[in-house]
Amino acid sequence: KQEVTQIPAALSVPEGENLVLNCSFTDSAIYNLQWFRQDPGKGLTSLLLIQSSQREQTSGRLNASLDKSSGRSTLYIAASQPGDSATYLCALYNNDMRFGAGTRLTVKP
Amino acid sequence: GAVVSQHPSWVICKSGTSVKIECRSLDFQATTMFWYRQFPKQSLMLMATSNEGSKATYEQGVEKDKFLINHASLTLSTLTVTSAHPEDSSFYICSAGPLLTGSYEQYFGPGTRLTVT
Repeated sequence: KQEVTQIPAALSVPEGENLVLNCSFTDSAIYNLQWFRQDPGKGLTSLLLIQSSQREQTSGRLNASLDKSSGRSTLYIAASQPGDSATYLCALYNNDMRFGAGTRLTVKP
Repeated sequence: GAVVSQHPSWVICKSGTSVKIECRSLDFQATTMFWYRQFPKQSLMLMATSNEGSKATYEQGVEKDKFLINHASLTLSTLTVTSAHPEDSSFYICSAGPLLTGSYEQYFGPGTRLTVT
């Protein structure tokens, strides 16, 4: 059974810093990996989707990488802003979707 | 494109009553819909996998007689919480996918917040 771990559980950084969120998984037999953002009390916003055959995806200040051989994915956020404050979830899909526990990010002005 | 809606967005019900939550894919058809539950400050936990026209597959620890899932079409799945209790209060989210086009991406609904008093 797929196990997804996200480190750190919480992160607080000053505005403008570049940061990396980590996601590790135990089963590399996946179709894709998605990074989501969740604001308190809200649903999920999909940030980036990496197909199994891909190594990375970029969208604006976000860059996500996927290394299936090591069971790792990272989400890189450049020039962080207070509006980036949220919980970030990674999830892997292989017939069903398994989520990590999330990283709660706070960007201080 | 690829929008999933949920109705209602929030509901308050009394203990012992039943509540139905709808999940619809508005502009696409999907072979499978998934139901998740999220307790405060916790991540999403998969409850069940639902395929159109088939019985849902429930995750270990999820009572199938309590959480009734009906998947009537390729665009609609419903989750009924029967005889609700306060401990069922949670945020319920559905997702749809893979698409009939073959894309494995999952599309998530906005969630339904259930409060049982």
